[in-house]
Amino acid sequence: DAKTTQPPSMDCAEGRAANLPCNHSTISGNEYVYWYRQIHSQGPQYIIHGLKNNETNEMASLIITEDRKSSTLILPHATLRDTAVYYCIVRSVKETSGSRLTFGEGTQLTVNP
Amino acid sequence: ETGVTQSPTHLIKTRGQQVTLRCSSQSGHNTVSWYQQALGQGPQFIFQYYREEENGRGNFPPRFSGLQFPNYSSELNVNALELDDSALYLCASSLEARGETQYFGPGTRLLVL
Repeated sequence: DAKTTQPPSMDCAEGRAANLPCNHSTISGNEYVYWYRQIHSQGPQYIIHGLKNNETNEMASLIITEDRKSSTLILPHATLRDTAVYYCIVRSVKETSGSRLTFGEGTQLTVNP
Repeated sequence: ETGVTQSPTHLIKTRGQQVTLRCSSQSGHNTVSWYQQALGQGPQFIFQYYREEENGRGNFPPRFSGLQFPNYSSELNVNALELDDSALYLCASSLEARGETQYFGPGTRLLVL
């Protein structure tokens, strides 16, 4: 699976949009971009995923650049409960050895009051 | 619909002992993946079980073994515990082995003394 690069930490004011970037310059055509978050000592929570088109759900929006080499997760109105480590993961859906998720270091997002 | 559950929530063992951790997959899911998360790091893939067979393994020694039962629940067994096995153990279930989103349980915190 392709490697991802994320900033180690970001801050955001409560009520503002949080934009979390991710670089995945070696992504290949059959690889999806997944986002998970992990609130301290809990299991990771699935947020959203996409292949080429922008995606939106009740939690967030995912913007993928046209060349697919980077993406941005957008939390439109961050709350204190959004403070967590956010992981961007690139994942092949055609590998034959199982569908493991390869986690990097993630971005620690801190939402401030 | 119940989510992924894990038991126990916490466990303390001593070096050399053996431990069994349990995971119940989300309703309708036939695939369970196990991850180890050391303090301050992202989760690392241990192995995946799909329809009761191992379907991919990460870089973990053979003393890490698993089982999946006909109801798709799963166990992770670790023999000859070492201090470095202290970690949060996470299981995730998905509808199928490939191409489906993995949903995580809350984890089991294992401390080896």
